Amino acid sequence: EIVLTQSPALMAASPGEKVTITCSVSSSISSSNLHWYQQKSETSPKPWIYGTSNLASGVPVRFSGSGSGTSYSLTISSMEAEDAATYYCQQWSSYPLITFGGGTKLEIK
Amino acid sequence: QVQLKESGPGLVAPSQSLSITCTVSGFSLSRYSVHWVRQPPGKGLEWLGMIWGGGSTDYNSALKSRLSISKDNSKSQVFLKMNSLQTDDTAMYYCARKGYGSSYGAMDYWGQGTSVTVSS
Repeated sequence: EIVLTQSPALMAASPGEKVTITCSVSSSISSSNLHWYQQKSETSPKPWIYGTSNLASGVPVRFSGSGSGTSYSLTISSMEAEDAATYYCQQWSSYPLITFGGGTKLEIK
Repeated sequence: QVQLKESGPGLVAPSQSLSITCTVSGFSLSRYSVHWVRQPPGKGLEWLGMIWGGGSTDYNSALKSRLSISKDNSKSQVFLKMNSLQTDDTAMYYCARKGYGSSYGAMDYWGQGTSVTVSS
C-alpha cells in the first residue's frame, strides 16, 4: 500500500513568509498522479493543485507545486491570511488506487 | 454548472447499515466517475471507493467487505451502502467527481457532504 506522509502536521506562518509543505510517498508514483486539496473549517475540500504543479482554477499564483518520484511539495511564496487552511496531498496508483496524506494544518501568526 | 449533493440519514444505530445518495447535475454519470470520501470529526480524509462511468467499481481494501457503490445514470444518482456500522464510522461523507484532461484525474468537484453519526 502506498502511504503519504505530510510534514509538518501543523505550522504557523506570518504574513509575507514563505511556506513549504512536503508530501513523502512510500513508493515512486507518476507526478501526474499527485494532487493537493485545500480545506477550510466546516467546508468541503477544494482541488488546489493538479498533477504536482498545475494550479486549479482560481488558485492564487503565489501557490506552486513541485516534485517527482517519492517527494512532493506545495509552496506559498508569500503567506496571506486567507491561506490558513488544512492542505492534503492525494495520490492515484494502480493499488490501492487512492490514498490521502494526513494533512497539514497551516495557521496564520 | 457541475454540482453534487449528498443526502443521508444523519443518525445510524450501531451494527445497522448506511445508505447515502449523491445526486449530481451538470454532467453525465455515464461519462464521469464518482468517488466517495469520508472524514471523521477532527481527522483527515479517507477514500472509500469509486464507480466508473462504465459502472465498474473499486473499493478501499480495508472496507471492501462492508461497502457497495452503485448508480442510476438516468436519475443522475450514485449510491453508497455500508454495512455493520460502528462508532468509528461516524464521519462526514462526501461524493466527488473524477475529473479528466486538465485536472489530471483529480477530484475536481465535491459535494457539501452529509454528516453521519453512529450512535444508539
